[in-house]
Amino acid sequence: DSGVTQTPKHLITATGQRVTLRCSPRSGDLSVYWYQQSLDQGLQFLIQYYNGEERAKGNILERFSAQQFPDLHSELNLSSLELGDSALYFCASSVAGVVTDTQYFGPGTRLTVL
Amino acid sequence: QQQVKQSPQSLIVQKGGISIINCAYENTAFDYFPWYQQFPGKGPALLIAIRPDVSEKKEGRFTISFNKSAKQFSLHIMDSQPGDSATYFCAARTRLTNFGNEKLTFGTGTRLTIIP
Repeated sequence: DSGVTQTPKHLITATGQRVTLRCSPRSGDLSVYWYQQSLDQGLQFLIQYYNGEERAKGNILERFSAQQFPDLHSELNLSSLELGDSALYFCASSVAGVVTDTQYFGPGTRLTVL
Repeated sequence: QQQVKQSPQSLIVQKGGISIINCAYENTAFDYFPWYQQFPGKGPALLIAIRPDVSEKKEGRFTISFNKSAKQFSLHIMDSQPGDSATYFCAARTRLTNFGNEKLTFGTGTRLTIIP
């Protein structure tokens, strides 16, 4: 168990809908990262937050947005969902600021868009 | 330039054998190279990592070999066991600032199967 929690574990929704994925980082970790894992794209970095502020952006679509709250949990919002958004979404956390920082991954949320 | 190329895509090794997975990169800004292990239904978990100022790092049966001039690194699993059957991802980190701002770029993964 990495100490990172993600809810829900599974999510099934329809095209055009909006969903919110939630992540709680390990105790003491200030950075949260979101990744998308799909069969054709592999594991892709989406976005990073550090202590409530956006720090780095990867291949995140404009239909997707995220935020990190004062208690350091984070939410990833996916809107106008398309079939191609079906994937595993992972959250990871790290202490941040130390050279040998490790990113610890949560168990993921499997999103199915029908 | 941000890519990390990983091979092979899948690998079958007999129990007790050596499993070798290779990765190559182009971006010299990468400063940290972790390997992650992922079991079905789970998130990736850090297995072992190396910094580019070191040519080899060993932890138990797992060894990373790093060739900075060739921009290549590899994972060796000695005495491979059925419990090692998983998907392995190499990764490379870009630190965009000195503090708290980083990206991991992952290889495409290698599905390792250890057969008895």
